[in-house]
Amino acid sequence: AQSVTQLDSHVSVSEGTPVLLRCNYSSSYSPSLFWYVQHPNKGLQLLLKYTSAATLVKGINGFEAEFKKSETSFHLTKPSAHMSDASEYFCVVSDRGSGNNRLAFGKGNQVVVIP
Amino acid sequence: NAGVTQTPKFQVLKTGQSMTLQCAQDMNHEYMSWYRQDPGMGLRLIHYSVGAGITDQGEVPNGYNVSRSTTEDFPLRLLSAAPSQTSVYFCASSYVGAGGKNTGELFFGEGSRLTVL
Repeated sequence: AQSVTQLDSHVSVSEGTPVLLRCNYSSSYSPSLFWYVQHPNKGLQLLLKYTSAATLVKGINGFEAEFKKSETSFHLTKPSAHMSDASEYFCVVSDRGSGNNRLAFGKGNQVVVIP
Repeated sequence: NAGVTQTPKFQVLKTGQSMTLQCAQDMNHEYMSWYRQDPGMGLRLIHYSVGAGITDQGEVPNGYNVSRSTTEDFPLRLLSAAPSQTSVYFCASSYVGAGGKNTGELFFGEGSRLTVL
């Protein structure tokens, strides 16, 4: 079964500095990968997705992620953090070739932005 | 643009009581699902459905029932609430792509916070 590892459950960044959230996945098939953001007391919202096209994926609010098959990684980055980026971020994997209809969620990164 | 609507937003139950969390979507999505979110655990799939009349179990189905009589609605029933079911519950929906699988592009409701005493 597919799985996701997100290290650093809490990440603090200063406003204006880069954001890096690490995601490593395990998948027996060709994966689809996603990053979701959860604002406080809200549902999750899709930030960006990788299916099988370009390995560098751009999302909303200036975020991007790069799929690296050799490293089984899909790290999320943003060049300059904004106060509004303070939220929880989840990396998600789906096995496109498997028979199951499940997504595997990582445990999340809680991002704090310091003014 | 309602999207995915969950009710109630908050609920307190006593151990042994039953209740139903409601979920409705207006996007004509075939795939609907229920997750629970607990601190440090991410989201765990409880049950899901790929269309009216079709449901299946996720990772943590015990203590929960679902049914899908219409495309729009996917209620989650707690049969006999236990303190371990204290959690935030999210309903999510998606289109179904090739092979009857959800696309992974989920639309989430705002959550239902349940406390079982």
